[in-house]
Amino acid sequence: SYVLTQPPSVSVAPGQTARITCGGNNIGSKSVHWYQQKPGQAPVLVVYDDSDRPSGIPERFSGSNSGNTATLTISRVEAGDEADYYCQVWDSSSDHHVVFGGGTKLTVL
Amino acid sequence: EVQLVESGGGLVQPGRSLRLSCAASGFTFDDYAMHWVRQAPGKGLEWVSGISWNSGSIGYADSVKGRFTISRDNAKNSLYLQMNSLRAEDTALYYCAKCVSGGSCYYFDYWGQGTLVTVSS
Repeated sequence: SYVLTQPPSVSVAPGQTARITCGGNNIGSKSVHWYQQKPGQAPVLVVYDDSDRPSGIPERFSGSNSGNTATLTISRVEAGDEADYYCQVWDSSSDHHVVFGGGTKLTVL
Repeated sequence: EVQLVESGGGLVQPGRSLRLSCAASGFTFDDYAMHWVRQAPGKGLEWVSGISWNSGSIGYADSVKGRFTISRDNAKNSLYLQMNSLRAEDTALYYCAKCVSGGSCYYFDYWGQGTLVTVSS
């Protein structure tokens, strides 16, 4: 089955740029989606189809995807961005259609 | 406003059964595929099962295949998960999630708040 690999943690100072990666075999050929989950809350979609943002998500959140790595970029990081972030793909080649990465804890220093 | 409200969780002994429900509102339920995703305490998200708009396509994670059954009642705007032969490793918060299309799910645009299942003797 398809595997997505994320770093367990990323730390960044307020106002800086955070980059969270999601690795997978030829992930550039798939559409990658990103969710933010704050403690005690349900996940929220922040980027879909590699780089599109749902309504209500700040422009500070952006995404890219190429080769074997997809990246969620959060510009001008704020304290409120501290959360767990998960990448996800739809893997039509297997029965395990929905695949999540292991998650990355973003800490705002 | 889209709302997904899960219910049916609780404390259950190993080997017993539980049925989860998800009541949907604020959208045309029978236009969309629906899935269950779980999260064990302190762990990441794990896909459990999904069902297409007309129940014609169903999938399960290997970890629950043969023990869990997903279903939906479009007349009642409801999604279900019948969980049999429960194990300690099934302990998790179970989320109901709405897909953006009726067949292939691609991704989830709305999630419920989850219902907690604890399997313990």
